[in-house]
Amino acid sequence: ETGVTQTPRHLVMGMTNKKSLKCEQHLGHNAMYWYKQSAKKPLELMFVYSLEERVENNSVPSRFSPECPNSSHLFLHLHTLQPEDSALYLCASSQDRSGARDSPLHFGNGTRLTVT
Amino acid sequence: AQTVTQSQPEMSVQEAETVTLSCTYDTSESDYYLFWYKQPPSRQMILVIRQEAYKQQNATENRFSVNFQKAAKSFSLKISDSQLGDAAMYFCAYVSRQGGSEKLVFGKGTKLTVNP
Repeated sequence: ETGVTQTPRHLVMGMTNKKSLKCEQHLGHNAMYWYKQSAKKPLELMFVYSLEERVENNSVPSRFSPECPNSSHLFLHLHTLQPEDSALYLCASSQDRSGARDSPLHFGNGTRLTVT
Repeated sequence: AQTVTQSQPEMSVQEAETVTLSCTYDTSESDYYLFWYKQPPSRQMILVIRQEAYKQQNATENRFSVNFQKAAKSFSLKISDSQLGDAAMYFCAYVSRQGGSEKLVFGKGTKLTVNP
């Protein structure tokens, strides 16, 4: 039990498809994050939610649309993606927004996305 | 902007031996946290060790220890008595303690292979 569960584990989609990534945390945390991990590049922070409110959007293209219906769930809605969007998408949670300092981020196992 | 550099894309070590992974960072701040995360084939990022910049004493966690050189902006990870389960990608990360926007900034990672 990792505490942060991501589904699906793998996803292959065409550029015209619409799909969603799901993240659920069972830790009672108040902040959730989406990261993108591409080969040979540092992890890139995409979005931060704190108490269900989006507090950060790191210049992510609009074809990525996050949703946080409650503090335990986080979605990433995908539409008209490009092949360069193929990557591992990691979800994480922390007790609060300062959790990166005072308590560790807890990560899920990621969704391996391939855009064809 | 803060940057984190891991100059060793790959490292290998014999089982039971010691290995050191390098990390340097660039910042103008004086108060921050540094982390080493491990990402095994399961893809889940796991916190290995954390160092607070205002603490001069190097952090240790069982077989893992760091050599924190604040003036040199260096933060290396030493793994003693390496085990097969230590094989993974290791990421160095930085988070600022100051300001309202707190982000983990990651390096590109070092792939560690442990040879039996």
